[in-house]
Formats: sequence, C-alpha cells, structure tokens
Amino acid sequence: QVQLVQSGAEVRKPGASVKVSCKASGYSFTTSALHWVRQAPGQSLEWMGWLSAGNAYTRYSQRFQGRVTISGDTSASTVYMELSSLRSEDTAVYYCARDEGNGMDVWGQGTTVTVSS
Amino acid sequence: ETTLTQSPAFMSATPGDKVNISCKASQDIDDDMNWYQQKPGEAPIFIIQEATTLVPGIPPRFSGSGYGTDFTLTINNIESEDAAYYFCLQHDIFPYTFGQGTKLEIK
Repeated sequence: QVQLVQSGAEVRKPGASVKVSCKASGYSFTTSALHWVRQAPGQSLEWMGWLSAGNAYTRYSQRFQGRVTISGDTSASTVYMELSSLRSEDTAVYYCARDEGNGMDVWGQGTTVTVSS
Repeated sequence: ETTLTQSPAFMSATPGDKVNISCKASQDIDDDMNWYQQKPGEAPIFIIQEATTLVPGIPPRFSGSGYGTDFTLTINNIESEDAAYYFCLQHDIFPYTFGQGTKLEIK
C-alpha cells in the first residue's frame, strides 16, 4: 500500500538547521509531487512548499523562502526538507504529503522538531 | 494568499446527529477544496476531494458540497469514532492554505 515514512524526532538549538526525510513506497515516486506542511502546537496547518518528484521542480511558501530547501533522491524514493536558522517558533510537527493532482492524499506520520536552547 | 475561514472552531454532537462544518475562501477556488480528519497524535486522513467526492474507503455518512468560495462538510448519523479535528485545504492557488480547523466532540 502507499506509505510515506518520515525520519524520527529532532531537537535543535536556535540558529541550527534540521533535515527531515520522507521515504515513499507503494506507488510510482516520479509521477507525483510531495508537499511539506507543519503544525505548531495548538495551531492550524501551514504549507511550506513542494517538490515535483519527476523533474525536481520546487515551489516554496514566501513565508519560508530562503530558509527552507526541499530536495529529492529518486533512486531512494525519498524527499528531504531542510529548515535553517531555526527559532523557537519553528517547534512543530512536520508532515510530508503526496499529491497526484488533487491535493494532498496520503500523509506521513509526522516528525516532531523541537527548537530549544 | 487565499484565506480559508472555517467555522465553527468547536462543536459538540450526540451520536445520530447531523453536523455541518463550513469553509469560506477569500477568492474563487473552483472545486479545489479537500477535507481531512485528524485524531490526536495521528496523521491526517483524506476524506473529501474536489469539494464533493468521497475518498474511497470513507464511510458514506461523510459528504461535501460547495463551489467557488463556500464549502461545507456534512457528517450524517454521527458516530463516536467521528470525534476528531477536521480541516479544509484549498489546492487551487499557491500558496496552498488550510482552514483553522474544527474540533468535533461526541457526547
């Protein structure tokens, strides 16, 4: 079945970077896009950006422009999200989600990133 | 940016009730509206696509309606397992945006 499995929880200090992975299985990786979305404690969800797995085209939310990089490794069916210059407000659960043209359908299990000194 | 105004933020229902959750977009998004259910500590589950289409495997007591700027998620004959957080997503205009969510409690 279609699955997105994310890397484990991370703790970082302010100013550091974090890189979260999302490994896809059960479908043709290069025919879809993958989004990154985050959910801070008690907040709604926030779209960060996406990558088209077939051609590596990326698009980012202006809110994160310059701090987020989404990349992919087609040989490993894996997408990565790196967020730099972390601050306490970046403490959140980060999700990857597949998109085959009708918005996000399958989601990863989420990765908790905690930013604390 | 397209703002999605979702209401109510919280609602309480009794098994067997019918509930409606609204999501209003700040501009026309055609039918590019999806609905999701999320339980605590779990990933979101896709329940309605393209405003009105039930995702395969989702119980038919869930339905969606609307087009353009006004959308509604309806749950008929509520069951205790429907207690969850529900949110809408517009995927018509970048950046994609989400509603603020609705917490549904079952008495």
